[in-house]
Amino acid sequence: GENVEQHPSTLSVQEGDSAVIKCTYSDSASNYFPWYKQELGKGPQLIIDIRSNVGEKKDQRIAVTLNKTAKHFSLHITETQPEDSAVYFCAASRADNFNKFYFGSGTKLNVKP
Amino acid sequence: NAGVMQNPRHLVRRRGQEARLRCSPMKGHSHVYWYRQLPEEGLKFMVYLQKENIIDESGMPKERFSAEFPKEGPSILRIQQVVRGDSAAYFCASSPRDRIYEQYFGPGTRLTVT
Repeated sequence: GENVEQHPSTLSVQEGDSAVIKCTYSDSASNYFPWYKQELGKGPQLIIDIRSNVGEKKDQRIAVTLNKTAKHFSLHITETQPEDSAVYFCAASRADNFNKFYFGSGTKLNVKP
Repeated sequence: NAGVMQNPRHLVRRRGQEARLRCSPMKGHSHVYWYRQLPEEGLKFMVYLQKENIIDESGMPKERFSAEFPKEGPSILRIQQVVRGDSAAYFCASSPRDRIYEQYFGPGTRLTVT
């Protein structure tokens, strides 16, 4: 089955700096890669996603890049703010089995004011 | 449009009791998923259901765990004879029929087995 690895497990940045979180996956058939933000005591919230026919997608301060050959994808947050502090999860799934998301182990992002 | 609803938010059970977790999907969503999250870990897929059908239960333990999504009412995840290792956060997600790859999560039920 699919194996998703996520790094780093914790990340501390100064407010205004950029943050990058990286994930690798093992199943070359995976073609949908969402990112979720989870705040303490809450459920994961979908923040951005990318499909395998696209190399990059951007939404305001958040961007995701995908390298299908290397089987890795990354989340980029620019101009970080204290409210970006949370745990971020990447996930992967495949078109013939969209129901099954494989999640990374999470990155705890701390944005220091 | 209300999001995915889960209740209870917190549930405490003694070893050997039954735990029943409920999930109401977003309006218009007909696909429901259950995930389990252990402390400091990512979410692990358990089961995928559509109305009155279990589509994929490959992530759910064969014993003591069951799930349903009846024609009327919420989806239910049932854990019989709970053990301490069942203590975790259980999340439900739902997706719309025309975009099943988008999963929207509820706030979770935190189960503690004493």
